[in-house]
Amino acid sequence: AQRVTQPEKLLSVFKGAPVELKCNYSYSGSPELFWYVQYSRQRLQLLLRHISRESIKGFTADLNKGETSFHLKKPFAQEEDSAMYYCALAYAGGTSYGKLTFGQGTILTVHP
Amino acid sequence: NAGVTQTPKFQVLKTGQSMTLQCAQDMNHEYMSWYRQDPGMGLRLIHYSVGAGITDQGEVPNGYNVSRSTTEDFPLRLLLAAPSQTSVYFCASRPRQGAIYEQYFGPGTRLTVT
Repeated sequence: AQRVTQPEKLLSVFKGAPVELKCNYSYSGSPELFWYVQYSRQRLQLLLRHISRESIKGFTADLNKGETSFHLKKPFAQEEDSAMYYCALAYAGGTSYGKLTFGQGTILTVHP
Repeated sequence: NAGVTQTPKFQVLKTGQSMTLQCAQDMNHEYMSWYRQDPGMGLRLIHYSVGAGITDQGEVPNGYNVSRSTTEDFPLRLLLAAPSQTSVYFCASRPRQGAIYEQYFGPGTRLTVT
């Protein structure tokens, strides 16, 4: 069974400091990984996906298959980055095609 | 497009009551799903559907029923509400085809069972 683990429930940093939100996964197939974000009083939305190798709002995430990790990083945190962040893994085939498994979530707080 | 809509936004139930959480999407997405969000547990999949007339169980299906009579609507039914079902419920949809897998979420329904 696939599983996603986010070891930090809470993460606090000061504005301008680097931030890293950890995500580890277990999956027997080839993983499709995502980061979703939920800002205060807003709906959950996609931040980035590993397949696109993109940088969104200064965030990047690299898939490390050897360490089975997909950590989210930003070199200089901003106050508007404060939110709940979820790492998610999708089934890439079979009858469970498209199902997403989410981690427990990390609440990031960026202090001024 | 309104995207994914959910009603109601808030609901208080007494133990043993029943209700239906409504979800609709206007993006012609084939794939729809229901999640519950609980502190420390993340988002857990309750039920999902890959198209009209097709539904399947997710990780935590007990106590919930779903049906998918149209592409647009995917209601979630609680038959005998229990305090353990106090949670925030999110509906989501995505196009079935495509390798991107982005899901579009509704605004959520906050349910309290007393």
